[in-house]
Amino acid sequence: AQSVTQLGSHVSVSEGALVLLRCNYSSSVPPYLFWYVQYPNQGLQLLLKYTSAATLVKGINGFEAEFKKSETSFHLTKPSAHMSDAAEYFCAVGPNFGNEKLTFGTGTRLTIIP
Amino acid sequence: EAGVVQSPRYKIIEKKQPVAFWCNPISGHNTLYWYLQNLGQGPELLIRYENEEAVDDSQLPKDRFSAERLKGVDSTLKIQPAELGDSAVYLCASSLGIYNEQFFGPGTRLTVL
Repeated sequence: AQSVTQLGSHVSVSEGALVLLRCNYSSSVPPYLFWYVQYPNQGLQLLLKYTSAATLVKGINGFEAEFKKSETSFHLTKPSAHMSDAAEYFCAVGPNFGNEKLTFGTGTRLTIIP
Repeated sequence: EAGVVQSPRYKIIEKKQPVAFWCNPISGHNTLYWYLQNLGQGPELLIRYENEEAVDDSQLPKDRFSAERLKGVDSTLKIQPAELGDSAVYLCASSLGIYNEQFFGPGTRLTVL
């Protein structure tokens, strides 16, 4: 069984401030973890993924995430928020060998304050 | 390279009417997925195809939902009859294989009145 929990359905940050979106996972096998972004009326776009290599993963648009096994976390960060970062962000777990589904969290809506 | 194409983008129907959604995956992608995304929620898998074969349809409500992927390329998802609770976004995604990155289409937003 696998699941992800995203803490905070809405996050607001000022332009130029640090972005931190939280994700905790549960998985019975070593997890593959993903962050997706969804802009209004668009499909999901992959930001970054962790597949058991380096624990600090860099993605597109300046985002990065760190896999912490001891905390079962995979938080998404960006040092300086930009207005264009306003979107919905989804954390997901799987698929991995022994687990064939991609399971999404409920999402975090990021608002950027000018 | 063209991405995943879905049509229509928006559909409004009355309850008890049938509706169909179409998806054209990225060329060469053998694996195709249909997801349901309710408002304020993450996508949930409805069905996964490997070429023409539906290999995971455990979450598809088979009393009213059906899907097909003829010739292992395009796919159609149908609802008959639609209910008010079916109002949601229906996303199609494709990948080279189950363990490869999934690419998502823009979705079809269904409103059932």
